[in-house]
Amino acid sequence: NAGVTQTPKFRVLKTGQSMTLLCAQDMNHEYMYWYRQDPGMGLRLIHYSVGEGTTAKGEVPDGYNVSRLKKQNFLLGLESAAPSQTSVYFCASSYSTLAGGQGTQYFGPGTRLLVL
Amino acid sequence: KQEVTQIPAALSVPEGENLVLNCSFTDSAIYNLQWFRQDPGKGLTSLLLIQSSQREQTSGRLNASLDKSSGRSTLYIAASQPGDSATYLCAVNNYGQNFVFGPGTRLSVLP
Repeated sequence: NAGVTQTPKFRVLKTGQSMTLLCAQDMNHEYMYWYRQDPGMGLRLIHYSVGEGTTAKGEVPDGYNVSRLKKQNFLLGLESAAPSQTSVYFCASSYSTLAGGQGTQYFGPGTRLLVL
Repeated sequence: KQEVTQIPAALSVPEGENLVLNCSFTDSAIYNLQWFRQDPGKGLTSLLLIQSSQREQTSGRLNASLDKSSGRSTLYIAASQPGDSATYLCAVNNYGQNFVFGPGTRLSVLP
């Protein structure tokens, strides 16, 4: 099992450019998440998905869009990158418990994004 | 709104010591709580998950306890080693809500 993988590992963008971050999991998990981690701000949830074809906003969704067309993939898009989006982005997935709640979260290795 | 704090923010101990990391949360009606470690420049690695019905979970030298009534969880690390040096984060989940992460405790174990 590869677990949770993310591509790319590192990217430099100019202000206004667009890009898509790809997350893939091979654990058949229902839940998938995108977080950003910034010094002094901790981990903040951007968007999440509770199943294939569904997405929802997290704490800091502005400037980002997501899609989950396949259960194993969760894409994060930046339509017009801004310097404030310079961050480390983490994808995670978790299984659905018997009670329908969220189980253990498994994280990917992260994508470092620098917006100039 | 659930808020999670971790004290201390940083901790430095000599190798071999037993230590306790603390996690506090404001809403005690949690579903589960998860402890992670994060090495510099890396992703988060899951250590332990405690369900709301459990009082503690153990994995090797790690023991996590949960006291919902006081809004606290502790991570006990026995016989610390330099390889335990990392940032430790707790994340709290209320049913139907997303995980809320604490700011982390940065642990340094000195040889």
